[in-house]
Amino acid sequence: GQNIDQPTEMTATEGAIVQINCTYQTSGFNGLFWYQQHAGEAPTFLSYNVLDGLEEKGRFSSFLSRSKGYSYLLLKELQMKDSASYLCAVMDSNYQLIWGAGTKLIIKP
Amino acid sequence: ETGVTQTPRHLVMGMTNKKSLKCEQHLGHNAMYWYKQSAKKPLELMFVYSLEERVENNSVPSRFSPECPNSSHLFLHLHTLQPEDSALYLCASSPGLEASEQYFGPGTRLTVT
Repeated sequence: GQNIDQPTEMTATEGAIVQINCTYQTSGFNGLFWYQQHAGEAPTFLSYNVLDGLEEKGRFSSFLSRSKGYSYLLLKELQMKDSASYLCAVMDSNYQLIWGAGTKLIIKP
Repeated sequence: ETGVTQTPRHLVMGMTNKKSLKCEQHLGHNAMYWYKQSAKKPLELMFVYSLEERVENNSVPSRFSPECPNSSHLFLHLHTLQPEDSALYLCASSPGLEASEQYFGPGTRLTVT
């Protein structure tokens, strides 16, 4: 079956760095997405990786290793507004997104 | 308006009621999706439409009936729902079915009593 695993919850301190991991097993691979979802709001797109390596976008970076079925989202200089759930999703061979359950990130002052 | 809009934002209905959820996208996209989001569970893809044609139906109970009259509008008709159908229903759109980001609406919080 297809499976996406990510931690349920993480806690970090304002101004620090946090890494959210995602491992996957899917039928085919057409890219990995990270979305941010604040409580009561819609998911919003953060990043897309289809080739191995690191993609940097401001304070957020996303890494992919296709051979290991592994990705991480790195958030630097954490701000209180970064408190949210972070969703990992993989597009399979049928171009369907397979979603993880999300990681709730709690930022403490 | 821009982006993806959904109405209503909140809905409470009894198990014998019939209601409809509406989604509209103003992005010129060709693909639209319905997802169900339950607490602490992954997003569940329910239906996919591309150019108004249904391309995916992931074993969704027949009490959920989608309708896509044009590429900008998507409906989810609900009838004789069960309490376990209570969830956040999200609509999304994308330029096409290829590997591209999906844009989500704010969702409809549905409670079945």
